[in-house]
Amino acid sequence: AQSVTQLDSHVSVSEGTPVLLRCNYSSSYSPSLFWYVQHPNKGLQLLLKYTSAATLVKGINGFEAEFKKSETSFHLTKPSAHMSDAAEYFCVVSDESNTGKLIFGQGTTLQVKP
Amino acid sequence: GAGVSQTPSNKVTEKGKYVELRCDPISGHTALYWYRQSLGQGPEFLIYFQGTGAADDSGLPNDRFFAVRPEGSVSTLKIQRTERGDSAVYLCASSLLSGDGDTQYFGPGTRLTVL
Repeated sequence: AQSVTQLDSHVSVSEGTPVLLRCNYSSSYSPSLFWYVQHPNKGLQLLLKYTSAATLVKGINGFEAEFKKSETSFHLTKPSAHMSDAAEYFCVVSDESNTGKLIFGQGTTLQVKP
Repeated sequence: GAGVSQTPSNKVTEKGKYVELRCDPISGHTALYWYRQSLGQGPEFLIYFQGTGAADDSGLPNDRFFAVRPEGSVSTLKIQRTERGDSAVYLCASSLLSGDGDTQYFGPGTRLTVL
């Protein structure tokens, strides 16, 4: 069965410094991988997705993630944090049933300090 | 265009009562998903519709939970005899198709509180 592990429940950075949110997955096949962001009192928004094309995926708002099959990782990065990046981030893997069903990690809260 | 909408945004009910939560997907999206997000957790899958039929209901926790999508558009999640443990945010998502990698667009959720 697939699973997703987000290695940090809480990450704090200063504005203007790099962001790294770590994610490892477990799957018996080659899944699609996603990062979603959830701002307070707002719906989940897709940041980026990997679907077996280029291993370095660029998303919205300057975020990107690299799929590393050998490490079963899909870490999310951004070169320079902005105050508006403060939110909850979810790493997500597609279920092997190929129905689009998603399996979410526990989430990482990103705090951005001025 | 309009995104996924969910009503009500908040629902407070008493233990033992019946509730209905509604989801309006993006027009033309054939796939519809329900997830439940408990406090401090990631969303967990409940049920998936392809058109009018429930293609996968393996995530429904027990037979108190039921969902319908009679005309292949709007869906209603129904919870009978609510329990305090049902308190959570219920999220709906839709996608154009239902394959691996298809982007799901989420609604803002319904926060259910069972007293």
